[in-house]
Amino acid sequence: KNQVEQSPQSLIILEGKNCTLQCNYTVSPFSNLRWYKQDTGRGPVSLTIMTFSENTKSNGRYTATLDADTKQSSLHITASQLSDSASYICVVSVLYNTDKLIFGTGTRLQVFP
Amino acid sequence: GAGVSQSPSNKVTEKGKDVELRCDPISGHTALYWYRQSLGQGLEFLIYFQGNSAPDKSGLPSDRFSAERTGGSVSTLTIQRTQQEDSAVYLCASSLRGNRGQETQYFGPGTRLLVL
Repeated sequence: KNQVEQSPQSLIILEGKNCTLQCNYTVSPFSNLRWYKQDTGRGPVSLTIMTFSENTKSNGRYTATLDADTKQSSLHITASQLSDSASYICVVSVLYNTDKLIFGTGTRLQVFP
Repeated sequence: GAGVSQSPSNKVTEKGKDVELRCDPISGHTALYWYRQSLGQGLEFLIYFQGNSAPDKSGLPSDRFSAERTGGSVSTLTIQRTQQEDSAVYLCASSLRGNRGQETQYFGPGTRLLVL
C-alpha cells in the first residue's frame, strides 16, 4: 500500500534554532517527492521537489534530502524564524499511475520567540 | 498575476442542505484539482480536470459530491445533502499543463466548511 508517514506530528522550537522533519514513504514506483509549507488558513505552497536522482535541494533556509534506497526524506530548517510556524507536508508521486499524489499528514511546527 | 482564489472563505450550513464552493484557477492553467483536508488528516484527492478531457472523479467520496468546470476556467464543487462528516477544508489547486505527477500545483486558500 502506498503510504507517506511524517514525523514528528508536531514540534516546538525556539527562534533561531535548527530543526529537521522526517518523511518515510512506501510508494512504489517512485516518481518524485515534494515538500509543501502550509500556513494556518492558507493553501500549501511548494518548497522543493526532488526526483529519484537528486539527493538534496535547497530553497533558502530550507534544505530537503532524499534517500531513494531507504525511502526517506528530511526537511532541514536552518536558523528558524517565527514565520516558519506552519504545517509541512511531504507529497510523493507514484510513477505511471496516472500520476497519483500521496500526501502525508504533515508536521505542525511552532517557532516561539 | 493573481493566484488561485476560492469562495466563500468560510461556510456554515445545516445538515441536509446543499452547498456550492467556487474556485478560480490561475489564468492559463489547464489543470484544476479539488482536495479535501479534514482535521489531522492529509489532503484527500477529490477530482481533477485537464483541458477538455473527461475529469478524473475517482476521489469523490459519494454521489453527493459533484464538480463542474465551465469554459475551462472556473470550477464549482457541489455537495448535496451535506452531512457532518463533510466538514473540512476544501482546497482547489491548478497547474499549467496537468502533468500532476511532475508539475507544481498552486493551491488556493481553501473554503472551510462546517456542517452543523
